[in-house]
Amino acid sequence: AQKVTQAQTEISVVEKEDVTLDCVYETRDTTYYLFWYKQPPSGELVFLIRRNSFDEQNEISGRYSWNFQKSTSSFNFTITASQVVDSAVYFCALSEARAGNQFYFGTGTSLTVIP
Amino acid sequence: DVKVTQSSRYLVKRTGEKVFLECVQDMDHENMFWYRQDPGLGLRLIYFSYDVKMKEKGDIPEGYSVSREKKERFSLILESASTNQTSMYLCAGGTGSIRDTQYFGPGTRLTVL
Repeated sequence: AQKVTQAQTEISVVEKEDVTLDCVYETRDTTYYLFWYKQPPSGELVFLIRRNSFDEQNEISGRYSWNFQKSTSSFNFTITASQVVDSAVYFCALSEARAGNQFYFGTGTSLTVIP
Repeated sequence: DVKVTQSSRYLVKRTGEKVFLECVQDMDHENMFWYRQDPGLGLRLIYFSYDVKMKEKGDIPEGYSVSREKKERFSLILESASTNQTSMYLCAGGTGSIRDTQYFGPGTRLTVL
């Protein structure tokens, strides 16, 4: 079974629109971490944010914000006023205590921002 | 800046060839990982290593082997390349703590003809 689900395979938005990328995870651990990564066309995954299972505060960083809800096992990512440079594949990942530093990745969401 | 480098960005090999993909990290990290990335499947773990000469199978180890003779270097080996191993291969390094991010290399796009 998939531990991290990103149901949106591809999303296209027009520049300046807001967009939310969904991430749903599954774990039996009480201690875990969730991550978001951006993969631009160059290929290298870039770390965006980390959230631990005990901290449900939402976080905002510039145009990026993250909504973590344990009740629905979701860790969604919103880009406000999207820009062409946001076009990339975005991955959500889960790190569990039982698995050491092994990550479980979602299948990714490909975001295209149209100028 | 932390750095993970991979020996090639693009590689073309023939079926049956032995292929070596090299990864080097400069972070002194204990853990290193090899993933393959395919459309619609995301990143899938092939092998990882938590120490020199130590290795663990990931989710899809069949057809691959690995070598870690030095802490900074982790090699992925395709003993006899097949066309279904055409993919993007990503190497990553990590501290071993679940709270720490993994750091990724730029990837090697391998085509097996």
